[in-house]
Amino acid sequence: DAGVTQSPTHLIKTRGQHVTLRCSPISGHKSVSWYQQVLGQGPQFIFQYYEKEERGRGNFPDRFSARQFPNYSSELNVNALLLGDSALYLCASSLAHATTEAFFGQGTRLTVV
Amino acid sequence: KNEVEQSPQNLTAQEGEFITINCSYSVGISALHWLQQHPGGGIVSLFMLSSGKKKHGRLIATINIQEKHSSLHITASHPRDSAVYICAVKNPSGSRLTFGEGTQLTVNP
Repeated sequence: DAGVTQSPTHLIKTRGQHVTLRCSPISGHKSVSWYQQVLGQGPQFIFQYYEKEERGRGNFPDRFSARQFPNYSSELNVNALLLGDSALYLCASSLAHATTEAFFGQGTRLTVV
Repeated sequence: KNEVEQSPQNLTAQEGEFITINCSYSVGISALHWLQQHPGGGIVSLFMLSSGKKKHGRLIATINIQEKHSSLHITASHPRDSAVYICAVKNPSGSRLTFGEGTQLTVNP
């Protein structure tokens, strides 16, 4: 069975552009979370979706948005990109949002120039 | 002060040494994860625990809920153990993980 898959793996964008990152959870997992990891730091929570509804949101500006589809895959959208948005974006999936283990994808490395 | 603090930040060991990485947290949690991150970014879950002790091969994780402290131990360390080890706590509702800054472990042959 495939693990958590993210696409693309690497991406270069220009300041002001928009980006969409995609995540497919492990089959049967209904919860997807997004994290931003800036170089040299631990990941920071952005969003959590469970059963297609937003269940948690971190301290990120409104330029960041996400959604979860009926097949439980998810998209993270970032508008008006800034240089500081350059980071590794990680997706994690779990069976349910409360007490189950999280499994991580390989991440999308976003570079904003 | 961060909600999750790890120590040490960097650790260099010789092959075969016993290694301990510590994690302290200041918030209520439903569970604590120990994660491993290799260069390139992918994160692998090593343990999820909410009490006591777990063991997988040469790795042992313990947690003391009263003291809000967890440790990750590696016995008979090997150069392939070199990676960043991250402690992350799950909030009581389970909606988010809060991560420590990570411990960079280098094991020399």
